[in-house]
Order: sequence, then structure tokens, then C-alpha cells
Amino acid sequence: EAGVAQSPRYKIIEKRQSVAFWCNPISGHATLYWYQQILGQGPKLLIQFQNNGVVDDSQLPKDRFSAERLKGVDSTLKIQPAKLEDSAVYLCASSPRGGGSEQFFGPGTRLTVL
Amino acid sequence: GQSLEQPSEVTAVEGAIVQINCTYQTSGFYGLSWYQQHDGGAPTFLSYNGLDGLEETGRFSSFLSRSDSYGYLLLQELQMKDSASYFCAVSDYKLSFGAGTTVTVRA
Repeated sequence: EAGVAQSPRYKIIEKRQSVAFWCNPISGHATLYWYQQILGQGPKLLIQFQNNGVVDDSQLPKDRFSAERLKGVDSTLKIQPAKLEDSAVYLCASSPRGGGSEQFFGPGTRLTVL
Repeated sequence: GQSLEQPSEVTAVEGAIVQINCTYQTSGFYGLSWYQQHDGGAPTFLSYNGLDGLEETGRFSSFLSRSDSYGYLLLQELQMKDSASYFCAVSDYKLSFGAGTTVTVRA
């Protein structure tokens, strides 16, 4: 079974530029998550999708971050414009269902904002 | 909201036993999960406790006391490859992670 795929793996941009990340979850997983992990901290949930509907986006900075999950499969996360404090690893995860069920994480995208 | 507390660092020698405690405060609670993350890697699931008591999976065990809002992860027969960060996470309809405990295993 293929795991969660993410691209790109690394991205370096200057502040005020825009950037987009892509995630392909495990086939059949209804729930998809985007996390932000700053160095030395635990993952912080940005947005959770159930199929293509948003379950929770309470910690998503909506003035600059946006995410979509078209057709309930792939998802993209966009930052526009980026700030220095957005430097982090962006992790995508998926699970068959929500709640406390096991989440399967992708390798992440390491974003550096200069 | 949720808040979790776990120690920031633990160091032990190969073959030893390490216990990582996690206390939490949460408005809604389904259970407590544990994830392992090697440096530069993705978090991987270790265990989930939805009910009070001990869950054992090989060298790793996890415990939950809902009345005490407390759980722990027990790592036995430590190996060098167990050097990693370990996160507890509380779940209601979503996961909220602690800051993580860095475990360093020395030869």
C-alpha cells in the first residue's frame, strides 16, 4: 500500500512570495490533515478535511493560508504572502476516519522563508 | 482547548527502561495517542488508549488513567534506534499534540 505523498520536499522562498504544497493521501482514506511543525515543537493542526468538506480550520491563518481538497482526494495548501515565521515543516496526514484513529503522515515539506 | 505536558528530554543507556509521562487538560476527550518521530522523519503511530489501563505492543507499552488526566509511554529494552522524539496527543474529533520528549539512547 502506497503511503502519503507530498511535494515538494523542500522549498526556499523570500518573504511576501507565495508557495503551494501538494498532498496525495492513502487511497480510500476519507480524512486528510495539514499540520505545521516548527522546529522543536509538536505538529499543530492547520486544517482537517472529511472527504472534501472542512471539519476544522480554527488554527489556519486565513488571511494568508488557504487549502482545498477537490474531489475528496488530493489536497493543496497555499501560503500567500509568506512571512518569516512560516518557516516550518508542513506535514500532510490521512486516516480512514477522524477522531483518535491512527494517522499516517507523509514525509513533509520543509519550507524556509528568507 | 487542550494543553499537554511532557518532559522535554530523557537520556538513558541501551537496555534500560524509560517512562515518558503525559498530563493533559482538554475540553473533550476520546483517547490518548503516542507518536514517534526520528530526526528529519515523519511522525509514526505507536499506540492509542481509549480506555483506562495498559496497552502493550512489543517493547513499548502505553497507559491511561482518565480520572487523573494522565498517561505514559514505557520503552523497554532500549535500543539505539529508539533515539527519537515521542509525542503524546489527545483526541476528540482531532488530534492535539504535546511539545514532545526527545529520548537519547547512549551506548
